[in-house]
Amino acid sequence: NAGVTQTPKFRVLKTGQSMTLLCAQDMNHEYMYWYRQDPGMGLRLIHYSVGEGTTAKGEVPDGYNVSRLKKQNFLLGLESAAPSQTSVYFCASTPGLAGETGELFFGEGSRLTVL
Amino acid sequence: GQNIDQPTEMTATEGAIVQINCTYQTSGFNGLFWYQQHAGEAPTFLSYNVLDGLEEKGRFSSFLSRSKGYSYLLLKELQMKDSASYLCAVMDSNYQLIWGAGTKLIIKP
Repeated sequence: NAGVTQTPKFRVLKTGQSMTLLCAQDMNHEYMYWYRQDPGMGLRLIHYSVGEGTTAKGEVPDGYNVSRLKKQNFLLGLESAAPSQTSVYFCASTPGLAGETGELFFGEGSRLTVL
Repeated sequence: GQNIDQPTEMTATEGAIVQINCTYQTSGFNGLFWYQQHAGEAPTFLSYNVLDGLEEKGRFSSFLSRSKGYSYLLLKELQMKDSASYLCAVMDSNYQLIWGAGTKLIIKP
């Protein structure tokens, strides 16, 4: 019962380095999301996907890129990391629109620090 | 702009009842969610309200008033394991979730 799995769980980067966060789900969900969570703020949507091969921008997309080449995987890339991208990143998935099913399924989170 | 307001922190006693309020101003409304998040963990789904009224699920209940832009989460018979942050989120007219900053609930023996 893996559900939504994120790798890596922790990462420390230097400013300007690049990295990719991987999200994998085994529930055959159509929709996948990347959020960031910062102290004192609500979860903010970075990018999302409504199906294999599709991506769309969320509330805070700048500095991030995504790809959904396979239905089960949603990758989040940072091309040139900045200290402002220090955050906890959560991936989530839903079978369809969350309003229809009532629940997002979250991964355990990836804690990223940019020095 | 869109806004979700909830108290930053609340303290309650084990065995007691606590009510966590959430007020919202969003572009349209397609449902309100409550999630629980323990420190260092992912949010987990508690409830979903789309119609006015009270939804009860065990020790947890959630209430919605769409006309007032208001919801609350009611936790009864508090247990130490209920110490967590409680996140309120509203789905707007574009089916995007707008999240509150969360209420940190501290349970004291």
